[in-house]
Amino acid sequence: QVQLVQSGAEVEKPGASVRVSCKTSGFTFNIYGFTWVRQAPGQGLEWVGWISANNGERAYAQKFQDRVTLTTDTSTSTIHMELRSLKSDDTAVYYCARVPGWKYYFDFWGQGTLVTVSS
Amino acid sequence: QSALTQPASVSGSPGQSITISCTGTSSDGGSYNLVSWYQHHPGRAPKLVIYESTKRPSGISNRFSGSKSGNTASLTISGLQAEDEADYYCCSYVGSASWVFAGGTKLTVL
Repeated sequence: QVQLVQSGAEVEKPGASVRVSCKTSGFTFNIYGFTWVRQAPGQGLEWVGWISANNGERAYAQKFQDRVTLTTDTSTSTIHMELRSLKSDDTAVYYCARVPGWKYYFDFWGQGTLVTVSS
Repeated sequence: QSALTQPASVSGSPGQSITISCTGTSSDGGSYNLVSWYQHHPGRAPKLVIYESTKRPSGISNRFSGSKSGNTASLTISGLQAEDEADYYCCSYVGSASWVFAGGTKLTVL
């Protein structure tokens, strides 16, 4: 069955970087895209970025453009999100989700990873 | 950049129907044929309940339906059940491999 399993919770200091992983299984990895969405405490869902596992094409939300990098590892069917220059308002649960090829919705989601930014 | 607006909250009694609207700005460039809806119970992963404005994924109850008119997409839940109590988000593809979420609607089943 389709599974997206994310790495565990992280605690980082302001200015540091964090890398969150999302290991997938149960489907052919390189015909899908993947997206990251976050939810800060008490806030709604916020789109962060997208990457194609087929050709590595990427797109980022404007507010994260300079601080986020999405990558894929086809050997392990895993996607990674690195967020740099962390600020306290980056504290959030970060979700990965699958995007069916040439489609525009997120059909399966990871369980979420809490990233806490605190001095 | 697109902006999508949903009501902050809606409520209904068990067995009733509710509708959540999702309205885009007139110049946002979003496609209302490419709106998806997600159910989110706190502490759990969001779940896709409607895609491409009107289509229901396999395994989603037919109590969930989607529609669109002009720059407004809507999610209707009929025969409300206690388990439907959750936050609901609409999300629109806005081109260039980018998406935007609305602020979310908290559904309370009375």
